[in-house]
Amino acid sequence: DQQVKQNSPSLSVQEGRISILNCDYTNSMFDYFLWYKKYPAEGPTFLISISSIKDKNEDGRFTVFLNKSAKHLSLHIVPSQPGDSAVYFCAASARSGNTPLVFGKGTRLSVIA
Amino acid sequence: KAGVTQTPRYLIKTRGQQVTLSCSPISGHRSVSWYQQTPGQGLQFLFEYFSETQRNKGNFPGRFSGRQFSNSRSEMNVSTLELGDSALYLCASSFPGGTAGANVLTFGAGSRLTVL
Repeated sequence: DQQVKQNSPSLSVQEGRISILNCDYTNSMFDYFLWYKKYPAEGPTFLISISSIKDKNEDGRFTVFLNKSAKHLSLHIVPSQPGDSAVYFCAASARSGNTPLVFGKGTRLSVIA
Repeated sequence: KAGVTQTPRYLIKTRGQQVTLSCSPISGHRSVSWYQQTPGQGLQFLFEYFSETQRNKGNFPGRFSGRQFSNSRSEMNVSTLELGDSALYLCASSFPGGTAGANVLTFGAGSRLTVL
């Protein structure tokens, strides 16, 4: 069973517009959420994280929103740039437990100039 | 500060063979995790090692094994290779050694295995 779901395999956005990537989770024990970005032939790189005690975290053009009641988080990229074109993975963990980071299947973002 | 180093980057094997992949974590990182990435499946957790002990194991058959050395370097082995083992194998390390889920993982570039 997929504990972390990214239901959109791909997303295309025009340069300068907002990109919104969505992620749902099923395990109510998850209390720490991360987004990773992956370019071809490279490993995933950490982008931004959020703890369950918050509902929003910003870092420059990237903002992650967490809706605990809906078990949903989203990553907003504003403005989108061609260099943002990559696969984005949502990940979650239960920090208090001895459990590994669980990843979604990823969403491929294409930012069109 | 050197990142996570994985070797080899690319390799081709035939069914039935075995393969060993190596991972050198960031200096000072004591936890090493391994993930398998296949098209459409995202990153699937294989196992995690901390202080030479396997601390977590994913849902993979016993053909997949690993170990960690005293210098935190890790290896994973896949025996009796199958076509479905073709994938990108990613190693990640974290500091200061809490559970892998409690820390940000830093990934290597991966070892791409093709099984013919």
